[in-house]
Amino acid sequence: SQQGEEDPQALSIQEGENATMNCSYKTSINNLQWYRQNSGRGLVHLILIRSNEREKHSGRLRVTLDTSKKSSSLLITASRAADTASYFCATDAGFGQTGANNLFFGTGTRLTVIP
Amino acid sequence: GAGVSQSPRYKVAKRGQDVALRCDPISGHVSLFWYQQALGQGPEFLTYFQNEAQLDKSGLPSDRFFAERPEGSVSTLKIQRTQQEDSAVYLCASSFWDPVTSTDTQYFGPGTRLTVL
Repeated sequence: SQQGEEDPQALSIQEGENATMNCSYKTSINNLQWYRQNSGRGLVHLILIRSNEREKHSGRLRVTLDTSKKSSSLLITASRAADTASYFCATDAGFGQTGANNLFFGTGTRLTVIP
Repeated sequence: GAGVSQSPRYKVAKRGQDVALRCDPISGHVSLFWYQQALGQGPEFLTYFQNEAQLDKSGLPSDRFFAERPEGSVSTLKIQRTQQEDSAVYLCASSFWDPVTSTDTQYFGPGTRLTVL
């Protein structure tokens, strides 16, 4: 079973508007990551937020993390048509010494930005 | 530099056939992962390699699934006697451990879309 659940499942907005997607997860995490997937393409890493961080910015992206509520949000400001894609949150529980951990993905939010 | 590549991009197999999916990770990446993504779902972990060692195969759905990475670089995911429920996109990712940030970021390939008829 998958670790996270994104909300909403689908979101449609006008170009220039902000888009907010939420993610909830079930177990303790080492970090949480957000990925974008365009139709027919692989996953592109957007941003990583550690479990001891509460907010992180990268360009037009803003991610928050609330470990007490086991939830995260991704905000995309001033959206563009090119932002149309599926967005997934992914968590890892941390395997320690190797540092390489398999990711648990949510079900994704399908974002459509209308020009 | 080049990213993760996968081949073939599309594969159609008749039920019962064996298939082999290839992954070329980013050069120098120690870790390699395979994921399975069903239509409309997020990717689900299949197996993980550190160099040539398969450290975790807990996500492989059955003994028909087999993965190898004999020289610690290219990896092959093999599915024997394919079934219709094996139809999915198979994603490969590679990563390296960054000791400065204490994180590893997985870089994904474009995937192989397998359709079993």
